[in-house]
Amino acid sequence: DTGVSQDPRHKITKRGQNVTFRCDPISEHNRLYWYRQTLGQGPEFLTYFQNEAQLEKSRLLSDRFSAERPKGSFSTLEIQRTEQGDSAMYLCASSGVSTEAFFGQGTRLTVV
Amino acid sequence: GENVEQHPSTLSVQEGDSAVIKCTYSDSASNYFPWYKQELGKGPQLIIDIRSNVGEKKDQRIAVTLNKTAKHFSLHITETQPEDSAVYFCAAREEYGNKLVFGAGTILRVKS
Repeated sequence: DTGVSQDPRHKITKRGQNVTFRCDPISEHNRLYWYRQTLGQGPEFLTYFQNEAQLEKSRLLSDRFSAERPKGSFSTLEIQRTEQGDSAMYLCASSGVSTEAFFGQGTRLTVV
Repeated sequence: GENVEQHPSTLSVQEGDSAVIKCTYSDSASNYFPWYKQELGKGPQLIIDIRSNVGEKKDQRIAVTLNKTAKHFSLHITETQPEDSAVYFCAAREEYGNKLVFGAGTILRVKS
């Protein structure tokens, strides 16, 4: 399967814990995006990488959030000191230059 | 920044009927408009897209129309089937921009 892969699919964590999600993009895609989706809403942009460079971050991405894409391949999204408001589906997408964005299946985070 | 509004929020049709979902956008610089289908527990799946140099695009039972002057675009699904039941999202992006701005989604139910 050459689609976008995300791991884990589900994560339940206690408030205050740190969590890390992984995204493996389509191999030939140099652009990678993270979005967050809450129930009943469309995905909201969080951040964007072109190769290994993080070129844009949304205001939604507080200081507790950090994303990396070492070597321009897979990406990780870490949330420190999780809060209940962080509960959401975290979606990763990838694209080539000027091509369509393809999404992964997402990681559903529940903070209890 | 860009704002995308989508309606209706829910749509019920009888199997075999047509369904139309409409979106408006605010940023005249946007010129790429994809539509995504999202099934329960899955990531958004790209089903069709249109660029601003085209007024209409069709792919089997699915078509999208774009009116750049009025800043609105629509998804048309003909001969609906139960498997078309899902949440549909429209989105807008500048052609070489970094992020998609999504509408809030339309829950489509096809009754057999």
